Amino acid sequence: EVQLLESGGGSVQRGGSLRLSCAASGFTFSSHAMSWVRQAPGKGPEWVSGISISGDNTKYADSLKGRFTISRDNSKNTLYLQMNSLRAEDTAVYFCAKDPVEKPTNPVFTGTGIFDYWGQGTLVIVSS
Amino acid sequence: QSVLTQPPSASGTPGQRVTISCSGSSSNIGRNTVNWYQQLPGMAPKLLIYTNDQRPSGVPDRFTGSKSGTSASLAISGLQSEDEADYYCEAWDDSLKGPVFGGGTRLTVL
Repeated sequence: EVQLLESGGGSVQRGGSLRLSCAASGFTFSSHAMSWVRQAPGKGPEWVSGISISGDNTKYADSLKGRFTISRDNSKNTLYLQMNSLRAEDTAVYFCAKDPVEKPTNPVFTGTGIFDYWGQGTLVIVSS
Repeated sequence: QSVLTQPPSASGTPGQRVTISCSGSSSNIGRNTVNWYQQLPGMAPKLLIYTNDQRPSGVPDRFTGSKSGTSASLAISGLQSEDEADYYCEAWDDSLKGPVFGGGTRLTVL
């Protein structure tokens, strides 16, 4: 059974930093691109970032303006999101999500945009 | 303001058929396939339909997706109380170079 378990959320002041983690199990983590998707209270989901199976290629939503960094450790089956210079508008539940394509042949592939499994999410609150 | 536009609410009675629309543009739905997610209260989104009209294993065939031009639709037939949830459409956007979501439609089963 595929399981994705996020952690690391919490309350932080504006300008602060947080590092989110997502522990994966039940599938070959190193064979799938992964993403972070966030959802502000009462809003629709918003894709944040995606990463290739090797971790060498990453992609980010333009709105983040370089404040976030996605990474992965395939030896630990774990996905990360380093968030810096946090703003009030970053307040959201952050989900890690799995791409369904296994062992994509394109090494720079960061995801299809289909998210077949999601974690339960971790809440980030940025206060001013 | 979401890139994809959905009606904020929809409703139906048990057994009825309801349809949820999703409107986009030439840079997203017009060029790429559409996915739909169901989010039950307090839960994570769940993939319901992918690549316009494909159902993942375990999703009942009461749920059907379709796409035409720059719009897509999710139809739910034989409405059940457990279908009460938020539904989101999503597609890749070539201009933004990433996936974009709709604002969601809250389905109420009366």
